[in-house]
Amino acid sequence: DTGVSQDPRHKITKRGQNVTFRCDPISEHNRLYWYRQTLGQGPEFLTYFQNEAQLEKSRLLSDRFSAERPKGSFSTLEIQRTEQGDSAMYLCASSLSGGRETQYFGPGTRLLVL
Amino acid sequence: GENVEQHPSTLSVQEGDSAVIKCTYSDSASNYFPWYKQELGKRPQLIIDIRSNVGEKKDQRIAVTLNKTAKHFSLHITETQPEDSAVYFCAASTNGNQFYFGTGTSLTVIP
Repeated sequence: DTGVSQDPRHKITKRGQNVTFRCDPISEHNRLYWYRQTLGQGPEFLTYFQNEAQLEKSRLLSDRFSAERPKGSFSTLEIQRTEQGDSAMYLCASSLSGGRETQYFGPGTRLLVL
Repeated sequence: GENVEQHPSTLSVQEGDSAVIKCTYSDSASNYFPWYKQELGKRPQLIIDIRSNVGEKKDQRIAVTLNKTAKHFSLHITETQPEDSAVYFCAASTNGNQFYFGTGTSLTVIP
């Protein structure tokens, strides 16, 4: 499968625990995006990378959230001290740059915080 | 920042009729406008997109129009089929730096 992949697909955790999600983009894509989606809403932008550099981060993003893309390939999204309000689908997408912005989404990681 | 509004939130049409979904945006710097279809429990999938240097784009039964002056763009689906039933999202972006999504339209095509 040469599409965007995410792991795990589902995660149940207790409030206060830390969780980490992984995204593997399409191999030649230099841009990688993280979104959060709750039921009945559109994807909400969290952050994005171009190669290793984190270029944009949502002002709404709590400092409990951190993302990395150390080698410009896969990325991880960590949520520290999870809260029930963090329960959502976390989507990753990748694209090229330079006028070729078409995004392809991964299947998402569904997080449930108890 | 950019604000994208989408209407209607729900839409029901008879099979074979047309469906139109409209979005407005606020940031005149936005220059890329994709539309996504999301079926229940699945990932959003791009169905069509348009860039600001183009006023209209068509792909078989799907078309998108863009009015830069008025800052709105619309999705048109003709000859709707039951498999078109899904949630549709519009989005706006400036050079792919950030994507701002609308709140979605739940389309139901009645056989």
